[in-house]
Amino acid sequence: KNEVEQSPQNLTAQEGEFITINCSYSVGISALHWLQQHPGGGIVSLFMLSSGKKKHGRLIATINIQEKHSSLHITASHPRDSAVYICAARLGGNQFYFGTGTSLTVIP
Amino acid sequence: EADIYQTPRYLVIGTGKKITLECSQTMGHDKMYWYQQDPGMELHLIHYSYGVNSTEKGDLSSESTVSRIRTEHFPLTLESARPSHTSQYLCASSEYKAGSVEQYFGPGTRLTVT
Repeated sequence: KNEVEQSPQNLTAQEGEFITINCSYSVGISALHWLQQHPGGGIVSLFMLSSGKKKHGRLIATINIQEKHSSLHITASHPRDSAVYICAARLGGNQFYFGTGTSLTVIP
Repeated sequence: EADIYQTPRYLVIGTGKKITLECSQTMGHDKMYWYQQDPGMELHLIHYSYGVNSTEKGDLSSESTVSRIRTEHFPLTLESARPSHTSQYLCASSEYKAGSVEQYFGPGTRLTVT
């Protein structure tokens, strides 16, 4: 069993839809990262969370430490949001556990 | 924008060849990492470094080796490439930021061993 589980694995949405990607983890963490990986492999760090909620433009990330759960929301989705979104849990030190990713396709 | 570079971006090589994947960062980060990622699979940590002359193996057993002679440079070497080494290799570096770690990734090297 992976220490970090994401759902759904694949998601197709119409442009403009509100999107939620979920991440659950089973280990104690010091921070949780949301990453975006575009076709071709480039990875961009979207958020680093240790508590509460963060917002960057149309992206919102929340974390509930007690429930060991985080969500990534995309409002007013756009085809350029199509990518793989990866949740990564950082343990103490510099050890990370990564989820397998959620592949998002936004259709015009 | 993060300044972390990997070369080559794509490499096709025959079995038995020695290869070195290059990774450099200009941010002065002490901590650097190599990850391996097969298509549709999660990232696996194969090597990491806390600073110059400090390297450790990660969670995934790997036949590769790394060196860290300079802060900005963290090359990964395969002494004898095999088809099972076909994968994508991602380099990253990190810094402490606002009480936690911000990690920056390079663009990746997609390796195919024939």
